[in-house]
Amino acid sequence: DQQVKQNSPSLSVQEGRISILNCDYTNSMFDYFLWYKKYPAEGPTFLISISSIKDKNEDGRFTVFLNKSAKHLSLHIVPSQPGDSAVYFCAASAGRDMRFGAGTRLTVKP
Amino acid sequence: GAGVSQSPSNKVTEKGKDVELRCDPISGHTALYWYRQSLGQGLEFLIYFQGNSAPDKSGLPSDRFSAERTGGSVSTLTIQRTQQEDSAVYLCASSLYGGQFSSPLHFGNGTRLTVT
Repeated sequence: DQQVKQNSPSLSVQEGRISILNCDYTNSMFDYFLWYKKYPAEGPTFLISISSIKDKNEDGRFTVFLNKSAKHLSLHIVPSQPGDSAVYFCAASAGRDMRFGAGTRLTVKP
Repeated sequence: GAGVSQSPSNKVTEKGKDVELRCDPISGHTALYWYRQSLGQGLEFLIYFQGNSAPDKSGLPSDRFSAERTGGSVSTLTIQRTQQEDSAVYLCASSLYGGQFSSPLHFGNGTRLTVT
């Protein structure tokens, strides 16, 4: 029962361009959404979050957009840098119940 | 301050043996979670501890899996009679306030378990 889906297992982007990572969810009870970044052999690290009362949250090069009617969120990275190459996990929570997507591997080419 | 520490980082075991995985959360964090990530899969919730409350064990896949958290700090995840399908990366995370995800999870580097 995948309540959080990341349909693109991988994404390749040129350095300096925009990276857009997408995530869809099915549970309308989710009220908080997060993106985590994971390098090989390390645990995921928190990147950015958004609550359901907002539709956009920005932190430097990273912006998360939430479309509640479509149950869709996205992470924009502008400009993309080679150091952004990692696996990005989308997560959604309702209280302490947090569900993760399968991840999208982003490769930023110099 | 130190982050979440997990040991061992890698564990290879024979099918049928028991294994114990350890997690040291960030000091002062009241909530502790165990997840696992199988190859090509997302993070699968296993168990959640919050303070002195009874743990939420709803994610444990079978009765071969158990976990405890002693003194509200260190946690151990035990897998009895391991099977090959138990092979995965087991991740521990802690957060300052469980159940409030304005308090994000801080993950350890995980334990890679391989059952041969």
